[in-house]
Amino acid sequence: GEDVEQSLFLSVREGDSSVINCTYTDSSSTYLYWYKQEPGAGLQLLTYIFSNMDMKQDQRLTVLLNKKDKHLSLRIADTQTGDSAIYFCAEMNYGQNFVFGPGTRLSVLP
Amino acid sequence: DAGVIQSPRHEVTEMGQEVTLRCKPISGHNSLFWYRQTMMRGLELLIYFNNNVPIDDSGMPEDRFSAKMPNASFSTLKIQPSEPRDSAVYFCASSLRTGMETQYFGPGTRLLVL
Repeated sequence: GEDVEQSLFLSVREGDSSVINCTYTDSSSTYLYWYKQEPGAGLQLLTYIFSNMDMKQDQRLTVLLNKKDKHLSLRIADTQTGDSAIYFCAEMNYGQNFVFGPGTRLSVLP
Repeated sequence: DAGVIQSPRHEVTEMGQEVTLRCKPISGHNSLFWYRQTMMRGLELLIYFNNNVPIDDSGMPEDRFSAKMPNASFSTLKIQPSEPRDSAVYFCASSLRTGMETQYFGPGTRLLVL
């Protein structure tokens, strides 16, 4: 079945870049998403990428997709304390099933 | 737009009681999803509706859980009887099925069953 994997924890220093990685198994993925969840809140869509793209940049966020290896990453430049949150990778496939990863808890140290 | 609205935001109840969680999706969205989030199991999809019809309820843990969507602007998730292991944050999300199915999440209901 479909599976989305992420490392569970990442710590970085304020001002450094953060890279959160995700792997997925479904080769029919059409869209891949990154969601952010701040403490006590719901999931908020950060960005998405269509499966025929390999990169998307949006201000401090850069999404890289390696479709051959089924690997997705989210790079946050100049990480701030406000970026501390759980980041979920998710994919949607042609069957329109939506699958979330377990989430990566990003801690930004001063 | 107010976004996805969930109520209550917090619920504390005793084991054996009935719990009803409510969701109002974003106006115009025709898909609605119920998720449960715990530390142990992460984010789990319980059930989703398309045009008010349940499409996949395979994630519903057991018969104590039921969900309804009587119209396009309202859904409920009911647990009867509730048990301590049901304690979790329950999220509702909605989307517009256009092929690029971005889900928009509500703030969640934090449920504690004593």
